[in-house]
Amino acid sequence: GIQVEQSPPDLILQEGANSTLRCNFSDSVNNLQWFHQNPWGQLINLFYIPSGTKQNGRLSATTVATERYSLLYISSSQTTDSGVYFCAPTGFQKLVFGTGTRLLVSP
Amino acid sequence: DAGVIQSPRHEVTEMGQEVTLRCKPISGHDYLFWYRQTMMRGLELLIYFNNNVPIDDSGMPEDRFSAKMPNASFSTLKIQPSEPRDSAVYFCASSLTSGSSYEQYFGPGTRLTVT
Repeated sequence: GIQVEQSPPDLILQEGANSTLRCNFSDSVNNLQWFHQNPWGQLINLFYIPSGTKQNGRLSATTVATERYSLLYISSSQTTDSGVYFCAPTGFQKLVFGTGTRLLVSP
Repeated sequence: DAGVIQSPRHEVTEMGQEVTLRCKPISGHDYLFWYRQTMMRGLELLIYFNNNVPIDDSGMPEDRFSAKMPNASFSTLKIQPSEPRDSAVYFCASSLTSGSSYEQYFGPGTRLTVT
């Protein structure tokens, strides 16, 4: 099955800072999603991005499927961005979750 | 849209008891998924359905686990008998196959504690 590696595993930022989270995967994919798991445990859809670049407010994501990686950019971070960010690629329907990047944004 | 609905949100039970988790997918979605999240194993897929039919149950850990989808708007995940190592957060998700899009939407999860 697909192997997923996310980096860094942990990240501490001051409010207002920018960051880049990386997701490497081992096989070609037709589907890739980024999620934010907030401190209450809810999984929030950020991006559905099997290829290309998308932006949503302060967040953007890029997937280079041919090189098997995806990046999530967070700009002007806020304390509400704290939580765990998961990358989940798949060839079809079976999402395979990485171990996540735990982000803490301090005021 | 109400999103994916799961009940109960929290369940505490004693070892050996039967536990039933419930899920209502987003209306019109044709795929339904059950995931489990633990500290040790992270988020893992247990089983998924397409048009109410189980497609892949290779992630179901043991025969103590069973899942059904009697209709397009309801699914259950049952554990019988429950064991302490089943303690986890169980998520239900659904998706609509539209062209080449398979985006999944998750429910709030059920936190299960087996004592």
